[in-house]
This record gives sequence, structure tokens and C-alpha cells, in this order.
Amino acid sequence: GAVVSQHPSWVICKSGTSVKIECRSLDFQATTMFWYRQFPKQSLMLMATSNEGSKATYEQGVEKDKFLINHASLTLSTLTVTSAHPEDSSFYICSAILDSNTEAFFGQGTRLTVV
Amino acid sequence: ELKVEQNPLFLSMQEGKNYTIYCNYSTTSDRLYWYRQDPGKSLESLFVLLSNGAVKQEGRLMASLDTKARLSTLHITAAVHDLSATYFCAVDNSGGGADGLTFGKGTHLIIQP
Repeated sequence: GAVVSQHPSWVICKSGTSVKIECRSLDFQATTMFWYRQFPKQSLMLMATSNEGSKATYEQGVEKDKFLINHASLTLSTLTVTSAHPEDSSFYICSAILDSNTEAFFGQGTRLTVV
Repeated sequence: ELKVEQNPLFLSMQEGKNYTIYCNYSTTSDRLYWYRQDPGKSLESLFVLLSNGAVKQEGRLMASLDTKARLSTLHITAAVHDLSATYFCAVDNSGGGADGLTFGKGTHLIIQP
């Protein structure tokens, strides 16, 4: 299957700082990328949908000013957690699709710990 | 609001036994996905079911889809310890895949010797 790479795999940051997570489709051009969040022992919840060159669409309850998404190219989307707090600690997973008829490919996830 | 319900949420079974995980969903989607997640890891795609009546098998796992009943099953045959993991089913949020997925809560499977 296609490869989606996330970076970093884990990050620890201090409360109040910002952290950026990258999601890259390595061998295909992704029309759409998605960001999910998974708290311990819970399921994945969709945070936002990102299309290249346009504003991201956020799910209800997700603060767009806190979770900044930039999809500058067909192979890269970034999620910036601004002014991070301990409650933002979670496993963030991105996925990417070639088009609406193809399955999504998932990155390896980023473990964020805010101290 | 799309709902995806899995059961059971937790399953402890012995090696060699058979069991089935159920996934009910509330949309009319014809596509359903099964994933495996190991602790601390991301998702591993197991099956993509694309139409009513679809059945796919890989090793000791077999998945099926009944779109009329809005039900998918993941059947485990003669379980082995290596299959211990959390299994998620997921459904497209729209008719296609452009709006992301809604996941079930997951089934935490422990297979004991």
C-alpha cells in the first residue's frame, strides 16, 4: 500500500508552547488529508479534513485557532498545536487519500505529551 | 450523526477458539474498513469491504459485510496469541472517502495460551 509518514513520532513539550506535526504522503499525491486524535484506551476521533490550497474543515468541538492545519502541497499537511496544555496530550494520527474512491492510508502517529 | 457500534468492546479468549466481533453502523455506506492496532502503534489496514455480501479472508481472520443489515463481522478462527490487539471497524462519513472515517470504539482482544 501507499506510504504516509508522520514526523515526529513522539514529542514532549512544555505547557504553553506550540508544536508542529508533519504528515507526508511519500509515493502519491494526496487530494485530502485527515487528522485524528486518540486518547488512551479510546477510539480515533476525526479532528479535521484538509485539502491542498484551501482552509481545513474542522469537526464540531475542535478549536480551529488551537489546532492550526496547513496543507501547502499535495504531499504535505501540518498540524500545529498552539499553546499546548496537558489535556492536549494524545496520540495524533494523520491519513491521506488519493481520491474519494480510494482507501485512506495512515501515518504511524505522533505521541504528544505536554508537561 | 453517523454511529458505529462494535461489540464486544473487550474479549478474552483462549488459543484455538473461534469468535466473532460485530460492527453495526447507522449510515447507508457501502464501504467498511477493519483495522488492527497494537499498543503504542498506528493502524494497520486489515480489510476493505466495498459492497454488500463482500467477504474477505486473510489467514485466521475473515470479514464480511451486509449493507442491508448495516452489519459487518470479523471472525477469528483458531485464535493464536499473535492476534492479540485492538480491532476497529470504520465507515466513511460520506458516500465516498472525502470526509474521513467514523470509527467504532474498538474491540480489545486478548488471546491467552
